[in-house]
Amino acid sequence: GESVGLHLPTLSVQEGDNSIINCAYSNSASDYFIWYKQESGKGPQFIIDIRSNMDKRQGQRVTVLLNKTVKHLSLQIAATQPGDSAVYFCGIYNQGGKLIFGQGTELSVKP
Amino acid sequence: KAGVTQTPRYLIKTRGQQVTLSCSPISGHRSVSWYQQTPGQGLQFLFEYFSETQRNKGNFPGRFSGRQFSNSRSEMNVSTLELGDSALYLCASSSERGEVNEQFFGPGTRLTVL
Repeated sequence: GESVGLHLPTLSVQEGDNSIINCAYSNSASDYFIWYKQESGKGPQFIIDIRSNMDKRQGQRVTVLLNKTVKHLSLQIAATQPGDSAVYFCGIYNQGGKLIFGQGTELSVKP
Repeated sequence: KAGVTQTPRYLIKTRGQQVTLSCSPISGHRSVSWYQQTPGQGLQFLFEYFSETQRNKGNFPGRFSGRQFSNSRSEMNVSTLELGDSALYLCASSSERGEVNEQFFGPGTRLTVL
């Protein structure tokens, strides 16, 4: 069956450094990818998305990279701030319209 | 515009009972999806409703059911509760009209089964 995996369950970075959170997926037919951020006690919040016809998309301080050849997705956060501390999920839509999530990476930002 | 709301926020039940959770989507959104979040399994898709019809279903037993009303509000029901049903249940709405786009999540209902 389909699977979505994250490379690291936790990531600790220094404030001001760049963070990179990775995600791997198994279904090469997936055509829409999305990153969510979940803070403690809250529901997931949309960060950025990308379609399969792109390999890079930039937002405010965030960049998503998609490598369809190796089925890998990454989220880069520039100049990481304490407010970025949260659990980050990648989500992948399959052709059946279901959103499959990875397990999540907990990002901790050290001041 | 008000966000997705879920009620109740917290719920404690005992094994064998049944529970109904409610979700009010963002005004104008017609698609509502439900997810179960647990530390061990992460976020797992339960089902999706669009215009009062179940459009997609995840791999959960028949004890988990849902429905959507004409105003797009949705409920999910879990019957014969088991300890393993303890989780955060999240509802998400989107405005998509046949295309995939962003889902907006509510704060969730924390269900504890004793």
